[in-house]
Amino acid sequence: EVQLVESGGGLVQPGGSLRLSCAASGFTFSSYSMNWVRQAPGKGLEWVSYISSSSSTIYYADSVKGRFTISRDNAKNSLYLQMNSLRDEDTAVYYCARDIDRSVWDYWGQGTLVTVSS
Amino acid sequence: DIQLTQSPSFLSASVGDRVTITCRASQGISSYLAWYQQKPGKAPKLLIYAASTLQSGVPSRFSGSGSGTEFTLTISSLQPEDFATYYCQQLNSYLPTFGQGTRLEIK
Repeated sequence: EVQLVESGGGLVQPGGSLRLSCAASGFTFSSYSMNWVRQAPGKGLEWVSYISSSSSTIYYADSVKGRFTISRDNAKNSLYLQMNSLRDEDTAVYYCARDIDRSVWDYWGQGTLVTVSS
Repeated sequence: DIQLTQSPSFLSASVGDRVTITCRASQGISSYLAWYQQKPGKAPKLLIYAASTLQSGVPSRFSGSGSGTEFTLTISSLQPEDFATYYCQQLNSYLPTFGQGTRLEIK
């Protein structure tokens, strides 16, 4: 059974940092690209970042470029999102999603809540 | 960026009704469109990809159509478990975007 489990969320002050993890199981993680998507409280979905299976291709939304860094460790079946210089507007539930050929996002994790507040 | 506009933003319907949600793209995206269902406190669930392909395990009352700039999601006969928020997503560009969502509520 495919599973994606996010962790690492919590309360952080503006300007602070946080590292999110997404643990994958039930499939060959190294064969799939991955994405991070976020959803602010009561709002819609916003794509955050993409990483290819080999980490050779990485994209970011303009809203996080220069502040967030996506990475993965295929040996540990894990995806990461390093978030620096956090702002109030980064408050959201963050989801990881499996990506097939950049056209199908078929499995999503349950999400982890990041709250940026003083 | 490619903008997606869903209509309506809110829809009130009854069990058994046929409902249609529209998603319009600001430029052509071929068939690179997906539909998701999201219930409160849960992750989005993939319903349709490539505009009209039903994801495995999704009931056949859900269907998608369209290409280019206009797309529709149709639920042929609403069931109680279908009341949720629906999002379209374009994957034509390397910057994927979502529509603002359509909230489907029980009349």
